[in-house]
Amino acid sequence: DVKVTQSSRYLVKRTGEKVFLECVQDMDHENMFWYRQDPGLGLRLIYFSYDVKMKEKGDIPEGYSVSREKKERFSLILESASTNQTSMYLCASEKFGNSPLHFGNGTRLTVT
Amino acid sequence: DQQVKQNSPSLSVQEGRISILNCDYTNSMFDYFLWYKKYPAEGPTFLISISSIKDKNEDGRFTVFLNKSAKHLSLHIVPSQPGDSAVYFCAAVQGGSEKLVFGKGTKLTVNP
Repeated sequence: DVKVTQSSRYLVKRTGEKVFLECVQDMDHENMFWYRQDPGLGLRLIYFSYDVKMKEKGDIPEGYSVSREKKERFSLILESASTNQTSMYLCASEKFGNSPLHFGNGTRLTVT
Repeated sequence: DQQVKQNSPSLSVQEGRISILNCDYTNSMFDYFLWYKKYPAEGPTFLISISSIKDKNEDGRFTVFLNKSAKHLSLHIVPSQPGDSAVYFCAAVQGGSEKLVFGKGTKLTVNP
């Protein structure tokens, strides 16, 4: 069974801090994604990666960057955290396009 | 512009009855549709999918119907069980794209 692991379930950071959210998948999936989930807004795609060192912007990339140095690991970086980045962050992976996404359990980030 | 719409934020049904969750889309290029279920404090899990070449797909208690002319799909759960209580997300993807587009979700409550 595919496992997508997000390193932290809960994080509290201060405004202006640099924040790293880590995600690891163990099934040799090609594609990896970062979403955020907010009440009333559903899941919105921040960034995705279809190969090592490759990345594409999603629908809301502003204020975020990503890193994929190894196939199994996809990191989301908040360069300077702001209160409007308080959210649930979900990492996902898929073997190839149009196959179901496998999600991690999420990281609830609070920026104060 | 919201390409995938779930117009009902919530739905409440009695155990044993049918649950019908609806989803509308605007992009006629979408050709693959998925439903995900999400429990609190967990990531979404894949439930069922349907390709645009079909109008129905069934998996146990779950059936998804697709009406391409109306750009509408629905998820039927029969019989509903209290363990089905969760948020259900409809998602769509266009062939050749890696980007899944999610609706805002419908919170289903199944009452014992």
